[in-house]
Amino acid sequence: QKEVEQDPGPLSVPEGAIVSLNCTYSNSAFQYFMWYRQYSRKGPELLMYTYSSGNKEDGRFTAQVDKSSKYISLFIRDSQPSDSATYLCAMSANSGGSNYKLTFGKGTLLTVNP
Amino acid sequence: KAGVTQTPRYLIKTRGQQVTLSCSPISGHRSVSWYQQTPGQGLQFLFEYFSETQRNKGNFPGRFSGRQFSNSRSEMNVSTLELGDSALYLCASSNGGLNQPQHFGDGTRLSIL
Repeated sequence: QKEVEQDPGPLSVPEGAIVSLNCTYSNSAFQYFMWYRQYSRKGPELLMYTYSSGNKEDGRFTAQVDKSSKYISLFIRDSQPSDSATYLCAMSANSGGSNYKLTFGKGTLLTVNP
Repeated sequence: KAGVTQTPRYLIKTRGQQVTLSCSPISGHRSVSWYQQTPGQGLQFLFEYFSETQRNKGNFPGRFSGRQFSNSRSEMNVSTLELGDSALYLCASSNGGLNQPQHFGDGTRLSIL
């Protein structure tokens, strides 16, 4: 079992739809959770950063972390064509002292159709 | 504030050669990390440097090495290039380390012929 699993898609939705993106993980030591958006030929751009369980909202984006189920989600409300990109989840766990292990999901390709 | 800058953007090499990639972090960031991104394996962590010292390392062979200078700029070197090293190499910087948000550059696209 991979440490972080993310459905690669592709996911295609009409403009205005609510999008749900998910990752599951097996390492219970993960404490820091991030979502990145990556446009073609660009580097990943941080969307959301959360610590431990709970919800965090930023504009049209909501991140949820359920540590008991080892499951994280990113919701995009009122999706726009400009949201078309690959979305990557990432998780970090302390591996001793100031050492951390950072692991990424493989990404979900999202297309929002006008 | 300027973002993370990576040079060059594109590079073509042949098998057996070596290559050096450069990364300038966001001003004030002392942590610089490197990643390899391929369609098959996704984004994989190579190593992290903090204050000129390698602090964390991923599962890559010794052909992959790096260093960080006193101004936090970093270089990554790959020796004896193999076809499988063709990838997008990304650099990121952060305030603290791998538990903090990583700010990425746009990468160097390396193609091995």
